Amino acid sequence: DVKVTQSSRYLVKRTGEKVFLECVQDMDHENMFWYRQDPGLGLRLIYFSYDVKMKEKGDIPEGYSVSREKKERFSLILESASTNQTSMYLCAGWGGINSPLHFGNGTRLTVT
Amino acid sequence: AQRVTQPEKLLSVFKGAPVELKCNYSYSGSPELFWYVQYSRQRLQLLLRHISRESIKGFTADLNKGETSFHLKKPFAQEEDSAMYYCALLTGNQFYFGTGTSLTVIP
Repeated sequence: DVKVTQSSRYLVKRTGEKVFLECVQDMDHENMFWYRQDPGLGLRLIYFSYDVKMKEKGDIPEGYSVSREKKERFSLILESASTNQTSMYLCAGWGGINSPLHFGNGTRLTVT
Repeated sequence: AQRVTQPEKLLSVFKGAPVELKCNYSYSGSPELFWYVQYSRQRLQLLLRHISRESIKGFTADLNKGETSFHLKKPFAQEEDSAMYYCALLTGNQFYFGTGTSLTVIP
């Protein structure tokens, strides 16, 4: 059974804190993605990575950065958390053509 | 740019009634389209993809290139179909999602 694991299910952070959201996949997939999921807005792509140390901006990268030091791990970083970053964050892995996206359970981040 | 449009945020149908969730896309190339579903307290998962032309859990979706649509249909809705449904478009190596439709099947 393929697995994408997000280390935290719920996080509460204060404005201005540096926040790390961790995602690990055991599928040996090159491609990994970070989305945020908001009611009425659907899933919006923040960043994605198609290989170790490679990263590409998605539609809403402002206020975020990512790290992909190892193939299995893709971290999302909020350098200085703000209240408008309160959201559900979804990590996904993808093996390429003819493969579906595999999602993690999500991390619900609240910034107060 | 709005690549995937799901016009209905909320949809309610009675059990046993037909259901159709609409999806329109904007893409000049050859599209690859998917429907993903998220049941309560579960992770987002693939429901079906257009190239497989399968029926999954009684759902089907046909790609209509002329109307740039990929509507999801089921002839007889069941209570367990209540969930959030997202239409997704794959272009190159990026997936773009619609805003989602929350389906409620009324017993």
